[in-house]
Amino acid sequence: SQKIEQNSEALNIQEGKTATLTCNYTNYSPAYLQWYRQDPGRGPVFLLLIRENEKEKRKERLKVTFDTTLKQSLFHITASQPADSATYLCAPGGGQKVTFGTGTKLQVIP
Amino acid sequence: GAGVSQSPSNKVTEKGKDVELRCDPISGHTALYWYRQSLGQGLEFLIYFQGNSAPDKSGLPSDRFSAERTGGSVSTLTIQRTQQEDSAVYLCASSQSKRSHSYEQYFGPGTRLTVT
Repeated sequence: SQKIEQNSEALNIQEGKTATLTCNYTNYSPAYLQWYRQDPGRGPVFLLLIRENEKEKRKERLKVTFDTTLKQSLFHITASQPADSATYLCAPGGGQKVTFGTGTKLQVIP
Repeated sequence: GAGVSQSPSNKVTEKGKDVELRCDPISGHTALYWYRQSLGQGLEFLIYFQGNSAPDKSGLPSDRFSAERTGGSVSTLTIQRTQQEDSAVYLCASSQSKRSHSYEQYFGPGTRLTVT
């Protein structure tokens, strides 16, 4: 069955540094991969979508890579800020259906 | 415009009772999803509606769970004979037509269900 793995441990980084979050998947060949941000007590908020034929996608301080050979996506936040502290979920998908990972909690320390 | 809304925001019920959770998607969004999130866990897919097509019910954990979407808009998730393991946050999301290739999902704030 499909398996989506994200770092279960929280990631603590210093303000201003680049945060890198990893998403690995197995038994799956997604057509695209999404990243969402979730704050406590709230629903996830869509950040970026990258398609299988794209290697990299950028949006402001965010950068996502997608390696279909390694079955991995990396999510980078450059010049991180305390306001970036949240849980980040990856969601590989096909058609209009995605499978969510369990998320990685990011804490940016001032 | 208005986002996805869900009601109630919190629901406490006794074991064995039935509950109904409501979702109002964004106007014009043809796809609607229900997910369940237990404390510290990821989102578990429950059911997906797309336009007038038959819903994808592959994620429903048991026959105690059912959902309907009336008029292609509002959706209701019903849990019959609730059990303590049903306690979780139930999230609803909507998405635009697949023809636009826009797959991003817009989530509601969720309904926190507690079964005592």
